[in-house]
Amino acid sequence: EAQVTQNPRYLITVTGKKLTVTCSQNMNHEYMSWYRQDPGLGLRQIYYSMNVEVTDKGDVPEGYKVSRKEKRNFPLILESPSPNQTSLYFCASSPPSGAGPNTGELFFGEGSRLTVL
Amino acid sequence: AQSVTQPDIHITVSEGASLELRCNYSYGATPYLFWYVQSPGQGLQLLLKYFSGDTLVQGIKGFEAEFKRSQSSFNLRKPSVHWSDAAEYFCAVGPMNRDDKIIFGKGTRLHILP
Repeated sequence: EAQVTQNPRYLITVTGKKLTVTCSQNMNHEYMSWYRQDPGLGLRQIYYSMNVEVTDKGDVPEGYKVSRKEKRNFPLILESPSPNQTSLYFCASSPPSGAGPNTGELFFGEGSRLTVL
Repeated sequence: AQSVTQPDIHITVSEGASLELRCNYSYGATPYLFWYVQSPGQGLQLLLKYFSGDTLVQGIKGFEAEFKRSQSSFNLRKPSVHWSDAAEYFCAVGPMNRDDKIIFGKGTRLHILP
């Protein structure tokens, strides 16, 4: 089954304790992206990756890091989490189009709800 | 600047009634257009998409959307809603070239009255 898998689904942590949210897709997509979803703000892109070893900042990258060492995996790293990073996080991937590695047709993971105390 | 507007934050309809959710976009050309649905506690799922061709597109769960170039709109419709349609709906525009981003509207939450 084609899917995007995120882990953990739920996490409560404390300020400053490094954490990683993993994301893996089995569709051989080049494009992957991380979003956060907050009430009233909708979906905001954190980072995205056009392909292996190619990553770029989205709209709200501060406090986050990513890496793309393999096509299927795109982990999100919070080096020193703070309470304002309490949010619902989504990983997504997209198949390629003629214009590039991304059509905009996104396949989403089920989300990771993070609480930073 | 590219943008997507969903003018209604919340919409309430009775079960069995028809539904229309509005979406307007601002883009340099005709973009790829999408509607996603997010049920409570779930990730987003693609309902339907428009790339080109017929401006009326059919999606899953009985939804359809119509692209109107003159109005820069891509409204989502369903003739008769079911209680299970209660969810949040997001309109999005997709990239026409490599440097464009996918842009989401802020969402419309649909409430269904029994």
